[in-house]
Amino acid sequence: DAKTTQPTSMDCAEGRAANLPCNHSTISGNEYVYWYRQIHSQGPQYIIHGLKNNETNEMASLIITEDRKSSTLILPHATLRDTAVYYCIVFWDYGGSQGNLIFGKGTKLSVKP
Amino acid sequence: DTGVSQDPRHKITKRGQNVTFRCDPISEHNRLYWYRQTLGQGPEFLTYFQNEAQLEKSRLLSDRFSAERPKGSFSTLEIQRTEQGDSAMYLCASSPYGTSGNNEQFFGPGTRLTVL
Repeated sequence: DAKTTQPTSMDCAEGRAANLPCNHSTISGNEYVYWYRQIHSQGPQYIIHGLKNNETNEMASLIITEDRKSSTLILPHATLRDTAVYYCIVFWDYGGSQGNLIFGKGTKLSVKP
Repeated sequence: DTGVSQDPRHKITKRGQNVTFRCDPISEHNRLYWYRQTLGQGPEFLTYFQNEAQLEKSRLLSDRFSAERPKGSFSTLEIQRTEQGDSAMYLCASSPYGTSGNNEQFFGPGTRLTVL
C-alpha cells in the first residue's frame, strides 16, 4: 500500500502557484520523497525528489517539513499543460539499490484559464 | 528520441489469446521495470530487471505472465490466455544504476491492452 496521503483533486488558476500537499507521517529515516506526474494518456514523468532539505529544479520546488512527515510540491506559475495527476511517493533508497515505486491514487490537478 | 519506447501502443485481443509487449529502455540503463495501470488507479509494480536478471516479481504477476530481458537490453512481457481483467495500460520504465538519492525512473508511453 502507498505510504502517502494526498487530496483527490485540486484546482488552480493559470499563472498562479499550485501547492500540492502530501502526508507521509510514517516515513523512515532513509526514505526519500519523490514526485511524479502523469498527463492524460502518457507515462508518469519524474518531477523532483528530496530527503530532508528543500529542493528546487526547473519544474518545481519541494518543501519538506522539519519532521519529514509532510511535504508540498510547488509549481510556481501553473500553466494549462500542468493539468495532470500528481503522485507523491516515499521510496527507500539505499546506496544505488532500489526496488519499485509504490503509487497511490495521486492528486488530480486541474489548471483553469 | 532517446526515451523509453513501447510497442505496440494499443492492442485489442480476444479472451484466451496470448499477447506480447516489447519495451526498449534508454540505452545504458541497466534497470527495467514493468507496471500495470487500470482506470483511475496509480501504476502498480509487476516486475523488475537489473541487466538480464529478474530480481523482483509482484504477486500481481500470475503464472500467466512472463517477462524476459534476454540480453539486458529490450524486454518483453507476455500474457498467456488473456482474461478481461487483464485489460489495462502496461507501462515500462528504466533507470540507470545510480548512487543513493538519484534513482529517477523514466517511463515509456505504455501499451493499452483491451481484452474482449
